[in-house]
Amino acid sequence: DIQMTQSPSFVSASVGDRVTVTCRASQGISNRLAWYQQKPGKAPKLLIYVASTLQSGVPSRFSGSGSGTDFTLTISSLQPEDFATYYCQQTNDFPLTFGGGTKVEIK
Amino acid sequence: EVQLVESGGGLVQAGGSLRVSCVASGFTFRSYWMYWVRQAPGMGLVWVSRINSDGSSIVYADSVKGRFTISRDNAKNTLYLQMNSLRDEDTAVYYCASSRGGYYYGMDVWGRGTTVTVSS
Repeated sequence: DIQMTQSPSFVSASVGDRVTVTCRASQGISNRLAWYQQKPGKAPKLLIYVASTLQSGVPSRFSGSGSGTDFTLTISSLQPEDFATYYCQQTNDFPLTFGGGTKVEIK
Repeated sequence: EVQLVESGGGLVQAGGSLRVSCVASGFTFRSYWMYWVRQAPGMGLVWVSRINSDGSSIVYADSVKGRFTISRDNAKNTLYLQMNSLRDEDTAVYYCASSRGGYYYGMDVWGRGTTVTVSS
């Protein structure tokens, strides 16, 4: 199975800050990586797929990059509605696996 | 509106069985692969199972293989997860999801989830 390691697991940031989350795969997955946002008590929401393509309706302050084993999610200017937990997921092979999550909290 | 709605969760004793369902609307359910993903209290997301569009190809996570069965009824736009021999560690919110662009493109539609609690 492909292991996905996210870091950091927790980020304390202020509105307007630039936030970067990293995700590392235990083996190469090309660009087959998705990012999700989850708010408490809600279902996950797809933000980015194939590493860098923004899902329809997702604000442009979100961006993704990377290929192979190393990937990043960047929020260019954190907004109040962005405080949530973010998960990466490899979509290269089954079993599909998620990273452990990064919780972005208000400083 | 594109929507998935789960139901059937509840409290069950360890060793018992439960079937959860997921009804799709607003998109052509029969055309797409479907998934179950679960989340234990305070924990992260864990993929459970996948079924292709006509039900002929199915994959399970090792943790549920032999105990859980995924199925679908395309005439009823409904996805199922039959869970047998339930364990404490199966306690979670169970989400159904779809990848309308193909599995490479992530899961773009999610239900709100149904809670399964296994008590010993």
